[in-house]
Amino acid sequence: AQRVTQPEKLLSVFKGAPVELKCNYSYSGSPELFWYVQYSRQRLQLLLRHISRESIKGFTADLNKGETSFHLKKPFAQEEDSAMYYCALSWSSSNTGKLIFGQGTTLQVKP
Amino acid sequence: DAGVTQSPTHLIKTRGQQVTLRCSPKSGHDTVSWYQQALGQGPQFIFQYYEEEERQRGNFPDRFSGHQFPNYSSELNVNALLLGDSALYLCASSSTGESPLHFGNGTRLTVT
Repeated sequence: AQRVTQPEKLLSVFKGAPVELKCNYSYSGSPELFWYVQYSRQRLQLLLRHISRESIKGFTADLNKGETSFHLKKPFAQEEDSAMYYCALSWSSSNTGKLIFGQGTTLQVKP
Repeated sequence: DAGVTQSPTHLIKTRGQQVTLRCSPKSGHDTVSWYQQALGQGPQFIFQYYEEEERQRGNFPDRFSGHQFPNYSSELNVNALLLGDSALYLCASSSTGESPLHFGNGTRLTVT
């Protein structure tokens, strides 16, 4: 069965430190992977998707099919990065209405 | 553009009752998906509506049903509420063949 695993419930770092939020998935085909972010009192919003290969707010994520991972990275964390981050998987690039989400990781960036 | 709007924001119901949640998609979007997010968990897919029909469904019982109207807005109905149905219900909209999903702020349902 398809599954997304985010092993860390909470990741706490100091401002300026590198950040890596882990995401592993299980899926036999070629999935599309996403990172969604939810800032305090805001709605869930897309941060980035692997097919775009773009960097948003300094975050990048590379799809590693061999390790079935899609870790989210940022070289220097900022306090405004503090939020809940969800990794999600879709098996159809043309219809991403059905997403499988991980349990989420809370990123806490301390001053 | 108001984006995806959901109503009500909060709701308290008693076990066994029925509830209807409403969603208006982002302007230009024709597909609506519903998710349930229990406390401390990621969102779980309930179902998706397009062209007024249920197109995909997650692992939820028949007590969960929905509807999509000609203006693309949607309703989620839950019958015979259980305590375990207490959760944040998220609506997300998209355009056919496009992504990503745009989420609403959700409706917090509490079943007592």
